[in-house]
Amino acid sequence: EVQLVESGGGLVKPGGSLRLSCVVSGFSFNSAWAGWVRQAPGKGLEWIGRIRSRAEGEATEYAAPVKGRLSISRDDSRNTLYLQMDSLTTEDTAVYYCGTGINTFDFWGQGTLVTVSP
Amino acid sequence: EIVLTQSPGTLSLSPGERATLSCRTSQSIETWSFGWYQQKRGQAPRLLIHGTSHRATGIPDRFGGGGSGTDFTLTISRLEPEDFAVYYCQQYGNSPWTFGQGTKIEI
Repeated sequence: EVQLVESGGGLVKPGGSLRLSCVVSGFSFNSAWAGWVRQAPGKGLEWIGRIRSRAEGEATEYAAPVKGRLSISRDDSRNTLYLQMDSLTTEDTAVYYCGTGINTFDFWGQGTLVTVSP
Repeated sequence: EIVLTQSPGTLSLSPGERATLSCRTSQSIETWSFGWYQQKRGQAPRLLIHGTSHRATGIPDRFGGGGSGTDFTLTISRLEPEDFAVYYCQQYGNSPWTFGQGTKIEI
């Protein structure tokens, strides 16, 4: 069974930083791309970005609203995906989901809530 | 950026009825790069359809996808009580990947 488990969410002040983690099991993580999607309260899904596999040079792609502030990395030895979030604003308040798959986001984590508030 | 527009915003139906959801993309996309997700309240999204018409593992055959170019549809042949949820379309062939704003199916 494929499982993705996020952690690291919480309350942070505007301008602060947070790092989210996502541990993947039951799937060939080291040969797959992986990414993050967020969902603000009561809103739809917003793609944040993704990272390709080591074989593809671990290239990253980001959505325009987060480029330069959020960065995605991976540690294949730990089957873990990361999202480093800097210079956070109240607009970044959301549930953050990690995902991976063969086609698109075939598999999702349960989500972790990030609240940015003074 | 490719913009996805879903219609209608809300669909009011009864169990046993047929649901047809639409998604229009702002430019033509390849059929391999289009999918649909279902999200129930308080849960993570679940992949239903990838490659426009291919059901993901474990998805019942009452869910069907189709379309090409800029117009795509998700059809649920006979609604079950567990199908009342929000549905999102997505394109994943062009970066940035993008989602539609969602269609809610309610009783």
